Amino acid sequence: GAVVSQHPSRVICKSGTSVKIECRSLDFQATTMFWYRQFPKQSLMLMATSNEGSKATYEQGVEKDKFLINHASLTLSTLTVTSAHPEDSSFYICSARRQSDTEAFFGQGTRLTVV
Amino acid sequence: KQEVTQIPAALSVPEGENLVLNCSFTDSAIYNLQWFRQDPGKGLTSLLLIQSSQREQTSGRLNASLDKSSGRSTLYIAASQPGDSATYLCAVNSNYQLIWGAGTKLIIKP
Repeated sequence: GAVVSQHPSRVICKSGTSVKIECRSLDFQATTMFWYRQFPKQSLMLMATSNEGSKATYEQGVEKDKFLINHASLTLSTLTVTSAHPEDSSFYICSARRQSDTEAFFGQGTRLTVV
Repeated sequence: KQEVTQIPAALSVPEGENLVLNCSFTDSAIYNLQWFRQDPGKGLTSLLLIQSSQREQTSGRLNASLDKSSGRSTLYIAASQPGDSATYLCAVNSNYQLIWGAGTKLIIKP
């Protein structure tokens, strides 16, 4: 099966700093990657969709200047949380999809804690 | 707008029982439906994927069914074990986006 690797799995950062999360498709080329956020006891919410080589499409209410997404290659997408604040503390999950497939494969998630 | 609902929100059953988790969706125009498992503080594990043309998928003790016309899917777990305790999420692939249910927290009591 297809493998998506997300790194780091956990990160603690100080308020005001920036954090980068990587999402890699290890054995396939991902034309589309998705970033989700999950608050405690809530369902996953789609933040943005990114296609390789183009700008990400953000969902309503998600600040594009705060959550920078880069999908520069077919195997790597990054999410940078800029000037993080405690309310950004959450579980972030990426998923990746091949062009010819409707199935999405998921990373293991990153738990971000901003102190 | 597609909406996904999971009932019940929480379920606690004794070990060994068979159980059914429910997922309903409002728009039958879907590409597929997936069931996932999420352990506390962990990522997602994909359990079963049902394409829109399929009616069910089986993997070990798990069986997932799909009835597009009624907007329903069920996840059947046979002979439950304490290790099955987790939150189970269903997600509908609608217009190439995954729409998620809020999950069912399952506790299997030894």
